[in-house]
Amino acid sequence: KAGVTQTPRYLIKTRGQQVTLSCSPISGHRSVSWYQQTPGQGLQFLFEYFSETQRNKGNFPGRFSGRQFSNSRSEMNVSTLELGDSALYLCASSFASNTEAFFGQGTRLTVV
Amino acid sequence: DQQVKQNSPSLSVQEGRISILNCDYTNSMFDYFLWYKKYPAEGPTFLISISSIKDKNEDGRFTVFLNKSAKHLSLHIVPSQPGDSAVYFCAASARASGSARQLTFGSGTQLTVLP
Repeated sequence: KAGVTQTPRYLIKTRGQQVTLSCSPISGHRSVSWYQQTPGQGLQFLFEYFSETQRNKGNFPGRFSGRQFSNSRSEMNVSTLELGDSALYLCASSFASNTEAFFGQGTRLTVV
Repeated sequence: DQQVKQNSPSLSVQEGRISILNCDYTNSMFDYFLWYKKYPAEGPTFLISISSIKDKNEDGRFTVFLNKSAKHLSLHIVPSQPGDSAVYFCAASARASGSARQLTFGSGTQLTVLP
């Protein structure tokens, strides 16, 4: 079966702009989580969605938001981009809980 | 506050030998532990997990050991192969509100298996 699909793979944005990233989970998976990976901080949890509801949120500013649609696809939005937002953004899906999560290839965001 | 720590940023091992990757955690609420492998430009790939009710879980060449009293887990790869060269992340999970969980990751260890 198809894995987790993230689009786009690469993105370059200017400071102050906003960006939307997309994630399509594995078919049948209802939980979608988002992570930010940077060289200095490793993988940091952003938030988790389950059945269109945000169940858990990491320690990120309100500029980072997300949503999940009825087909379990999820989007993540970052407003007023800062240089420090440059990172690999990873989406993970799981069937019910967030234990064995399967990751997409990520979206590489560069803010210039 | 790093709740999951991988103190060795890199490890080199000869092909055929054992690779041992270590991970320490501080949060006693963690009850599920996972190892992921990551190649450049790809997302992490799930390898093996262990529940806190066990102290060992084995899957082929991969074995994870959990020492709850020491809050330490390790991943053993035997025998190591060049294709195992990747960054290995340790992750821990505690049940959050409702049935939600979140994964807390270590900073990763770059394993290089030398032919």
